Amino acid sequence: EPEVTQTPSHQVTQMGQEVILRCVPISNHLYFYWYRQILGQKVEFLVSFYNNEISEKSEIFDDQFSVERPDGSNFTLKIRSTKLEDSAMYFCASIARGRENGYTFGSGTRLTVV
Amino acid sequence: KNEVEQSPQNLTAQEGEFITINCSYSVGISALHWLQQHPGGGIVSLFMLSSGKKKHGRLIATINIQEKHSSLHITASHPRDSAVYICAVGTSYGKLTFGQGTILTVHP
Repeated sequence: EPEVTQTPSHQVTQMGQEVILRCVPISNHLYFYWYRQILGQKVEFLVSFYNNEISEKSEIFDDQFSVERPDGSNFTLKIRSTKLEDSAMYFCASIARGRENGYTFGSGTRLTVV
Repeated sequence: KNEVEQSPQNLTAQEGEFITINCSYSVGISALHWLQQHPGGGIVSLFMLSSGKKKHGRLIATINIQEKHSSLHITASHPRDSAVYICAVGTSYGKLTFGQGTILTVHP
């Protein structure tokens, strides 16, 4: 079964450093998303991406965050200057045009900011 | 803004029991999703519903659009069903809004 692949699975970074979280969505999917889950809390929407541009973003997705699809396969989330409160599990998800089979989520990247 | 509420928050069952998890949402949607999250953190999509009922193995999901309510049932529960079950709602290709999850523990 096709998978959404996320790397790294766990990243520890110093406060103020830049991090890039990587995702490889399923090849025929057209809609891409980043979500995050702070430990013990609900999963929260960050941003959606379609046709090489952001289609929607949440209040969380401020100027410190950016997304890119640099080469037609990878989908990246960059946090420019990490804060302690950015520590969370970050999930990439994708869905096909017809929404058949629903969303497919990656296994997540656990980001720890120290 | 859509509010998604799940009940119960925690559920403990004995192997073989029939389990029901409920989800209510406040604003009309195009689809409701039931997701499963294991201790390692990964999220797996179980069902996407826009009306009626779906069944996959021992799992059954129903939705009542008028009442803005959905249920996830597990028949003949098994310890391997132990996980967090999450309800999420959304509009066509738009963001998902998640419930807080139901922690299910099934004892042998």
